Amino acid sequence: SQQGEEDPQALSIQEGENATMNCSYKTSINNLQWYRQNSGRGLVHLILIRSNEREKHSGRLRVTLDTSKKSSSLLITASRAADTASYFCATIGSNYKLTFGKGTLLTVNP
Amino acid sequence: SAVISQKPSRDICQRGTSLTIQCQVDSQVTMMFWYRQQPGQSLTLIATANQGSEATYESGFVIDKFPISRPNLTFSTLTVSNMSPEDSSIYLCSVAAGVSMGEQYFGPGTRLTVT
Repeated sequence: SQQGEEDPQALSIQEGENATMNCSYKTSINNLQWYRQNSGRGLVHLILIRSNEREKHSGRLRVTLDTSKKSSSLLITASRAADTASYFCATIGSNYKLTFGKGTLLTVNP
Repeated sequence: SAVISQKPSRDICQRGTSLTIQCQVDSQVTMMFWYRQQPGQSLTLIATANQGSEATYESGFVIDKFPISRPNLTFSTLTVSNMSPEDSSIYLCSVAAGVSMGEQYFGPGTRLTVT
């Protein structure tokens, strides 16, 4: 079963705008990760946030984690057309197995 | 980080046949996984490929349908057996890496279409 549920399922914005994607999960976690997938290709690891962290930055990415609400958000600032991709959150379980959310398809229009 | 390659990158196969997908990593890794991504869906873990022993399959996946080999710490294969159109998916291998092995690195995927 899916651990993470992203919303929105699809998001379309203009270049330069910010994009926010949300993820909810069901069980306790050690960390939560965000991945990007371009057009049905392999996944790229974006950022990992640990359960004792509330916010993390990496370049134009900002991730928050609220363990009391079992939710996380990914913010991409000053979006570019090259950011067009599907974004997935994932939680890690026993033996390092990842459980993925359904993903958000982000389209950034030039 | 680890660099992962997969072969083939895509294939179109007839139902009833089998396809073996190869995954090669540029360094030795302990944990290697195989995922399936059905059209328009998220990723689902098929199995953990264990070096020197049988793979560990997730619920809903069986060895007869998805036999896996892991002869060493840099290589694994996944076979999709007796294929049907429902097997049309992207198949991805990944490895656990990073300081705490919490990050996973993915291959580029194999896009399989079964006709």
